Amino acid sequence: EDQVTQSPEALRLQEGESSSLNCSYTVSGLRGLFWYRQDPGKGPEFLFTLYSAGEEKEKERLKATLTKKESFLHITAPKPEDSATYLCAVQGVGTYKYIFGTGTRLKVLA
Amino acid sequence: GAVVSQHPSRVICKSGTSVKIECRSLDFQATTMFWYRQFPKQSLMLMATSNEGSKATYEQGVEKDKFLINHASLTLSTLTVTSAHPEDSSFYICSARPTDRASAGELFFGEGSRLTVL
Repeated sequence: EDQVTQSPEALRLQEGESSSLNCSYTVSGLRGLFWYRQDPGKGPEFLFTLYSAGEEKEKERLKATLTKKESFLHITAPKPEDSATYLCAVQGVGTYKYIFGTGTRLKVLA
Repeated sequence: GAVVSQHPSRVICKSGTSVKIECRSLDFQATTMFWYRQFPKQSLMLMATSNEGSKATYEQGVEKDKFLINHASLTLSTLTVTSAHPEDSSFYICSARPTDRASAGELFFGEGSRLTVL
């Protein structure tokens, strides 16, 4: 059964304190792994798509990486405005469904 | 690009009434749209997959007669919560996948609709 597990559940960082969020997945053939940011009371905002192990994508202070078993979202020198819930999702080959993790709630303190 | 508009953002209704939520892809066509429900501090629970011109596919445990989905065009899907009850109160989010980028796979989400049933 396809599965996505995100850790930690919640993370508090001081402004400028870099860290990484983890997304472990089990899927029978990966079509794509997706990262989203969700602010309270809003829909998720698309960040990255990764397709194959070794791939990396960057956007401002965020960098996503992918291996055959997990993905990391690295946050470099975070700012308070980076505070949000970060969701990871996978889509397997031959399926139209997306499996979402429960997210990591990030709080960056000034 | 890839903007999904969802309306209304908040709705309060009385028990027993029906509520319609619209999901529009503004700058792309979407053969497939998805409807999710989200409980506080939990992830997205897929309710149904909406395909333009055909019947929606509902997930196990989701009552299709209660949550009516219509995908009449390539840019519009609607979710109607019929005879709403307080337990239907939740945050409903739609998403759409651009038809011309089906191989890329990204989903784009609406802003969500907060339903409160009194």
